[in-house]
Amino acid sequence: KNEVEQSPQNLTAQEGEFITINCSYSVGISALHWLQQHPGGGIVSLFMLSSGKKKHGRLIATINIQEKHSSLHITASHPRDSAVYICAVSLYNTDKLIFGTGTRLQVFP
Amino acid sequence: SAVISQKPSRDICQRGTSLTIQCQVDSQVTMMFWYRQQPGQSLTLIATANQGSEATYESGFVIDKFPISRPNLTFSTLTVSNMSPEDSSIYLCSVGGRVETQYFGPGTRLLVL
Repeated sequence: KNEVEQSPQNLTAQEGEFITINCSYSVGISALHWLQQHPGGGIVSLFMLSSGKKKHGRLIATINIQEKHSSLHITASHPRDSAVYICAVSLYNTDKLIFGTGTRLQVFP
Repeated sequence: SAVISQKPSRDICQRGTSLTIQCQVDSQVTMMFWYRQQPGQSLTLIATANQGSEATYESGFVIDKFPISRPNLTFSTLTVSNMSPEDSSIYLCSVGGRVETQYFGPGTRLLVL
């Protein structure tokens, strides 16, 4: 069993739909990261969370430390949101990241 | 924030040759990380490169195959040695501490024939 699990693996949506991507982890963490990888390969950090909720534009990320679960929400999705979204965790007391397998999102106009 | 550049952005190499990938950061950082992303897969940590000390390799990765240099606080290189088609991947460097935003280079796409 992977230490970081994401669901779903693939997601298609119509423009304007509300999107939720889930991440569960089974290890002790210092922080959880949501990353976005576009088809060209570049990876951008969207959020770093250690508790609660963060919002940036149409993106919202939440984390429940007790349940070891995080969600990434995209409101009013747009075709430019099409990318792979990766959940990664910073392990407690190391600087390493463990990555989920990613969620491939396609938003159609 | 940190801006990271990598060279080359892509390359096609012959089996048995070696390729050195460069990673340059626009600010001084203690640790740099090298990752491999095989086709359709997520990222796997190859090694952590600290300035002034030997790189720390993850299980399954060895220095003879992936030698790393870290001559100063803004630069690192990863060499993929004696390449085989199985080494065809995207190689990325990154910086960022445990509870810091992670910054990634644009990646080097390697195809080994």
